[in-house]
Amino acid sequence: DAGVIQSPRHEVTEMGQEVTLRCKPISGHNSLFWYRQTMMRGLELLIYFNNNVPIDDSGMPEDRFSAKMPNASFSTLKIQPSEPRDSAVYFCASSLYRLAGGPYNEQFFGPGTRLTVL
Amino acid sequence: GIQVEQSPPDLILQEGANSTLRCNFSDSVNNLQWFHQNPWGQLINLFYIPSGTKQNGRLSATTVATERYSLLYISSSQTTDSGVYFCAVEDNYGQNFVFGPGTRLSVLP
Repeated sequence: DAGVIQSPRHEVTEMGQEVTLRCKPISGHNSLFWYRQTMMRGLELLIYFNNNVPIDDSGMPEDRFSAKMPNASFSTLKIQPSEPRDSAVYFCASSLYRLAGGPYNEQFFGPGTRLTVL
Repeated sequence: GIQVEQSPPDLILQEGANSTLRCNFSDSVNNLQWFHQNPWGQLINLFYIPSGTKQNGRLSATTVATERYSLLYISSSQTTDSGVYFCAVEDNYGQNFVFGPGTRLSVLP
């Protein structure tokens, strides 16, 4: 398996521009997670999906952030408009969710997208 | 929400030394994972260990869920073990996933 795939690996943009980050989970996994890593706040969960449905987006910092999962093999995280404080590494992870109310299985992380907003 | 603490925050070792990293959490958890973030930023799975003990080569981990802690043991450390070690937990309630602040390990040749 190719693992979790993220693109682009690096993104440099100017303040006010729209940014779209992409993620392909591991085939067969039915849960997908978006995280953000910064020096100040460490690794934070932004949003996660089960079977393509958003379950909890309480970690999304502002309305400027949105995430979608149109099918089991693709998700996007969009920032519009972007601001310098959005500069961070954004990770996508996937896992296999077994039972309603049960624990998640092991999460596997993609290589991350390093976003710089000037 | 659940709080996750890791200690020590920083650790410097000579190659060949052993070390123990600790993760404390403030509430019951459904699962716990240990990760190694290498100097290139990759998050590498080490253990999925909600309870009990597991071993993988020079690394082993123990989680005592009833006492709300987990330990990661690194034996005969190598320079390639350098990086940041994170524990991450899923709480029992809202399926919230929380990472600890990490332990930064530097192994010197």
